[in-house]
Amino acid sequence: GAGVSQSPRYKVAKRGQDVALRCDPISGHVSLFWYQQALGQGPEFLTYFQNEAQLDKSGLPSDRFFAERPEGSVSTLKIQRTQQEDSAVYLCASSLARDRQYTFGSGTRLTVV
Amino acid sequence: DAKTTQPTSMDCAEGRAANLPCNHSTISGNEYVYWYRQIHSQGPQYIIHGLKNNETNEMASLIITEDRKSSTLILPHATLRDTAVYYCIVRVDGTGGFKTIFGAGTRLFVKA
Repeated sequence: GAGVSQSPRYKVAKRGQDVALRCDPISGHVSLFWYQQALGQGPEFLTYFQNEAQLDKSGLPSDRFFAERPEGSVSTLKIQRTQQEDSAVYLCASSLARDRQYTFGSGTRLTVV
Repeated sequence: DAKTTQPTSMDCAEGRAANLPCNHSTISGNEYVYWYRQIHSQGPQYIIHGLKNNETNEMASLIITEDRKSSTLILPHATLRDTAVYYCIVRVDGTGGFKTIFGAGTRLFVKA
């Protein structure tokens, strides 16, 4: 596609609910990144994929967070048993390679109530 | 990744040049300077990057000091649409360092 597509655009979850956030990167982009952005803060790195391989997941805040990219294209970020502190915008970015500039999606705004 | 320091906020008059400074005093020789911006409710957008030489593209110019410890992003004729948060990032290209670390950025207000 022309850009990085994320869905849903907005998600409201009750505390304790599981959520799944989807990212469709630009076709052919090898590298895919997930970031978390709290209100008024810069994006915080969560995890990185090169094709289907998750090469860095050091930014995932807890074992409730899980990301996958099984066929090297679409990626899903899953959050289990959501907590209020998980409320944030979740951004996905892709690039041709890890040493090239990123194209970001518009993000998914998650609100946990 | 090396850390960067940016002013919290800046104002600029519409039509004038906006000069956004960034300090990166601990930058290493193989680390590039990248600039992104984030307009409200959108994801960050790539602007420009450079290693040693000054760079210019259709969006902006990047001036890097000779010692590479600081840089300035220049928007030559700022418009109201340039109101955004601007992030200066230093990252390694090509030799590892999969993470691009964003700071808090500079909030630029372009005023009519």
